[in-house]
Amino acid sequence: NAGVTQTPKFRVLKTGQSMTLLCAQDMNHEYMYWYRQDPGMGLRLIHYSVGEGTTAKGEVPDGYNVSRLKKQNFLLGLESAAPSQTSVYFCASSPGLAGGGREQFFGPGTRLTVL
Amino acid sequence: GIQVEQSPPDLILQEGANSTLRCNFSDSVNNLQWFHQNPWGQLINLFYIPSGTKQNGRLSATTVATERYSLLYISSSQTTDSGVYFCAVTGPGSSNTGKLIFGQGTTLQVKP
Repeated sequence: NAGVTQTPKFRVLKTGQSMTLLCAQDMNHEYMYWYRQDPGMGLRLIHYSVGEGTTAKGEVPDGYNVSRLKKQNFLLGLESAAPSQTSVYFCASSPGLAGGGREQFFGPGTRLTVL
Repeated sequence: GIQVEQSPPDLILQEGANSTLRCNFSDSVNNLQWFHQNPWGQLINLFYIPSGTKQNGRLSATTVATERYSLLYISSSQTTDSGVYFCAVTGPGSSNTGKLIFGQGTTLQVKP
């Protein structure tokens, strides 16, 4: 199993550009999450999904959109990037309550710089 | 919402020394995880431990849920233990979604 994978690993954008980050998991997990990590800080939740076709806002959702069209994929979109969105983005998944587990497993991260 | 505090914020050890990292939380929890973020930025799962005690090699963890704290023990530290250790919890209001709230982390440096 590859676990949780993220694409791309690095990206540089100019202010106002758009992009999509892809998260994929092969563990048949129900729940998926997007977090951001800023320097010297712990992770903060952006958006999450408790199943295919569902999404919800986390702590810091402004400026981001998400979609979960397939169970194994969770996409994070930036419609008009701003320098404040420079961060490292982590995706995570967990089996969820019905799947019998709350433990979250994280991808390797995407380092995004907005100039 | 639930608050998570980790101590100490920074720790410097000589190789071979033991250490204890602490995580305090302000409410009951359904999930508590310890992570190690290595110098390359990867988040590595150490323990899933909402209560009780677990051991994995030189590392062990104890969560006393009734007193709202968890401890991570590192014995015979090695330079590869360097990095940031995060505690993260899911509070009672998020039991259906599993949202994790992270502490600020403890930065550990192990010197050879």
